[in-house]
Amino acid sequence: NAGVTQTPKFQVLKTGQSMTLQCAQDMNHNSMYWYRQDPGMGLRLIYYSASEGTTDKGEVPNGYNVSRLNKREFSLRLESAAPSQTSVYFCASSPRMDTQYFGPGTRLTVL
Amino acid sequence: TQLLEQSPQFLSIQEGENLTVYCNSSSVFSSLQWYRQEPGEGPVLLVTVVTGGEVKKLKRLTFQFGDARKDSSLHITAAQPGDTGLYLCAWGSSNTGKLIFGQGTTLQVKP
Repeated sequence: NAGVTQTPKFQVLKTGQSMTLQCAQDMNHNSMYWYRQDPGMGLRLIYYSASEGTTDKGEVPNGYNVSRLNKREFSLRLESAAPSQTSVYFCASSPRMDTQYFGPGTRLTVL
Repeated sequence: TQLLEQSPQFLSIQEGENLTVYCNSSSVFSSLQWYRQEPGEGPVLLVTVVTGGEVKKLKRLTFQFGDARKDSSLHITAAQPGDTGLYLCAWGSSNTGKLIFGQGTTLQVKP
């Protein structure tokens, strides 16, 4: 099993450009999550999906959209990137309400 | 304001020393999780503590949940360079599965 995979690993954007971060899991988990990690801030939840077909806002959803394409895939889209969105983005999945499994992260720089 | 406060934020010690990391809150938690994140990777779950006063051991790591379930500690005995990383405590909502993270403790163990 690959677990949780994320693409791309690194990305540099200019202000105003758009992009989609991809996440897939092969563990048949119902729940999936997107976090951003900034120095001294821990991980903050952007959006989550408790099951296929549902999505909900987390702590910092502004500037982002998500799509739960199917049970395996959960994508995060930046429509118009801003320097404040420079961060490391992590996708996670969970089989139940406590344990989460994280991907390796996408390092995004917005110039 | 952070729901979970971790201390210290940074810790640099020599190989063989002992250390304790703390996770505190004014709220009562049904359970608390500890994750370790190595540079360039996503967090990995170490342990979940559920019962007040509970102590769990994972080799040289000892985790304790406070009697009132408002705080937790992680004690590492005879630290090794391989223990270097970011240690995060997190609380999970039993209703939504969302995790709230502390800001983390960065540990550096020098050989």
